[in-house]
Amino acid sequence: DMKVTQMPRYLIKRMGENVLLECGQDMSHETMYWYRQDPGLGLQLIYISYDVDSNSEGDIPKGYRVSRKKREHFSLILDSAKTNQTSVYFCASSLGQGKSAETLYFGSGTRLTVL
Amino acid sequence: GQQVKQSSPSLTVQEGGISILNCDYENDMFDYFAWYKKYPDNSPTLLISVRSNVDKREDGRLTVFLNKSGKHFSLHITASQPEDTAVYLCAAGSKLSFGKGAKLTVSP
Repeated sequence: DMKVTQMPRYLIKRMGENVLLECGQDMSHETMYWYRQDPGLGLQLIYISYDVDSNSEGDIPKGYRVSRKKREHFSLILDSAKTNQTSVYFCASSLGQGKSAETLYFGSGTRLTVL
Repeated sequence: GQQVKQSSPSLTVQEGGISILNCDYENDMFDYFAWYKKYPDNSPTLLISVRSNVDKREDGRLTVFLNKSGKHFSLHITASQPEDTAVYLCAAGSKLSFGKGAKLTVSP
């Protein structure tokens, strides 16, 4: 059963705290993504990873960093979270190298609230 | 700026009617176009996609029309059902830029 798993589903943090969002996939997909979704703004790409230690900024990378040490895991890190980073974060993966578009498989999302 | 735009944030259609969702894009190098469906508190899932070498693709009740010269593509859903009620996200390009989404409501 192909799956993208995100942990946790819900998270509340205080401004200035560090945040770690985890994502795993069991499909051996090369490419993984982090998006955030805000009301009225759709899905915005934060970072894309083409493979282990091969990461590239998306459209809104400021305030975020990522880590991919194993092909099946992709982490999103917020160092010193800000209230405007309150959002729903989606991880996704795709089979190939991400250079030509393919089907994205999304995780169920993490709803992050920064107080 | 937004590379992919969905100008109508919502649409209501009677059951059995045709739902038409529209999307405009800015980059004429885009060669891949997709529609994703999202239920509340769920993740987006791919509905249908098309590459730029065709103008139209059908899959059951779904048809994607691509107008490359107008930088526009649309999703037509025939015989709309209440279970089609969801948010529809268009996406385009190799890195998949998404539109803001459009909420479709199909009323019985």
